[in-house]
Amino acid sequence: DTAVSQTPKYLVTQMGNDKSIKCEQNLGHDTMYWYKQDSKKFLKIMFSYNNKELIINETVPNRFSPKSPDKAHLNLHINSLELGDSAVYFCASSQPTSGRWEQYFGPGTRLTVT
Amino acid sequence: GESVGLHLPTLSVQEGDNSIINCAYSNSASDYFIWYKQESGKGPQFIIDIRSNMDKRQGQRVTVLLNKTVKHLSLQIAATQPGDSAVYFCAENRDQGGKLIFGQGTELSVKP
Repeated sequence: DTAVSQTPKYLVTQMGNDKSIKCEQNLGHDTMYWYKQDSKKFLKIMFSYNNKELIINETVPNRFSPKSPDKAHLNLHINSLELGDSAVYFCASSQPTSGRWEQYFGPGTRLTVT
Repeated sequence: GESVGLHLPTLSVQEGDNSIINCAYSNSASDYFIWYKQESGKGPQFIIDIRSNMDKRQGQRVTVLLNKTVKHLSLQIAATQPGDSAVYFCAENRDQGGKLIFGQGTELSVKP
């Protein structure tokens, strides 16, 4: 059973298009995240939701809009895609206990904007 | 124009040797630290974590050391195997919202 899954795994699209990436976790976790990993492997948090409520919103262009229909799902919609949006996007989830914030990551979605 | 990016720090070890991967963190208020392993084409995978009230924690073949005085974290891998080849990230937790700040990453290459 896949704990954190993302679709699609690869996404190739043209500048100016709008696209969505979906994430689902079957771990029963309350908190979910979106991260962006650039070509230099730098991994940066974008958003976090706890029980469908946005709790972390980093300095991300407002073309990026997360949506959490329920606590097992966190989707990422991107409007007016730009070349600089090309990256690998990771979804993660966690259930913090006793001050531990171990996060479980999905396999990633490689977005290529041409 | 675009600046040339930095390459990931790399560590090359012989199979069977011990590996030590180092990480400097920035915020003295960080209270939780975690090491991840990322294999090519996959998401980061949890290895081991440590809270700031500890200075050492051991797992299976791995040990994490925390030196809060100099804000330094290290991951030691015993008897390194080819399957350990990956990029290793340290991360620190800055606040109670689970906001992990990731370090640059170190690429470990294990020679058979």
